[in-house]
Amino acid sequence: DIVMTQSPDSLAVSLGEKATINCKSSQSVLYSSNNNNYLAWYQQKPRQPPKLLIYWASTRESGVPDRFSGSGSGTDFTLTISSLQAEDVAVYYCQHYYSPPYTFGQGTKLEIK
Amino acid sequence: QVQLVESGGGLVKPGGSLRLSCAASGFTFSDYYVSWIRQAPGEGLELLSYISSRSTYTKYADSVKGRFTISRDNAKNSLFLQMHSLRAEDTAVYYCARGWRDYSGSNLRVFDYWGQGTLVTVSS
Repeated sequence: DIVMTQSPDSLAVSLGEKATINCKSSQSVLYSSNNNNYLAWYQQKPRQPPKLLIYWASTRESGVPDRFSGSGSGTDFTLTISSLQAEDVAVYYCQHYYSPPYTFGQGTKLEIK
Repeated sequence: QVQLVESGGGLVKPGGSLRLSCAASGFTFSDYYVSWIRQAPGEGLELLSYISSRSTYTKYADSVKGRFTISRDNAKNSLFLQMHSLRAEDTAVYYCARGWRDYSGSNLRVFDYWGQGTLVTVSS
């Protein structure tokens, strides 16, 4: 099974500043035949279900603000929030979908400093 | 709009059984894989099971294999999770989530809509 490890477990960022969350997979999730990274990001606000933010490592889901961006390839990925807003307080999860079982990272809790 | 509404959660004793339901609306239910994902209190997300559009394929996490059974009724736009031999560690919020369209070229295996979840508590 592919293990997804996020870092840090939590971070506090000032409003308007950049937030960076990392996700590392235990093996590559890059499918060579189509050059796609099988990696998604989700946001879970308090007392809400998760919401899909990004897939194919860098494609934003419809309606997601462009301050959210995803990058990386192979085994190392990053979710960046370019200018933190108060409504971005949440736990963020990465998930691979390269091969079953499709596992999630343990989550990164993002707070306001 | 897409909606997924779970029901059937509650308090159950260790060793007991429970059946969860998920009512779907706002999309062609019979075109999609659907799944159950749970979240223990203060913990992360665990994909438990998913089922193909015509119920021909199912997949289970090792933690629930042999104890939980996923099923669906496309005529009623409903997803189910039958849970047996429940343990304290099964205590969690159980989410129903829409997966991917079921066709041969589908490889975007993400969960784009989620219900609000139903709480299952296993305790004596």
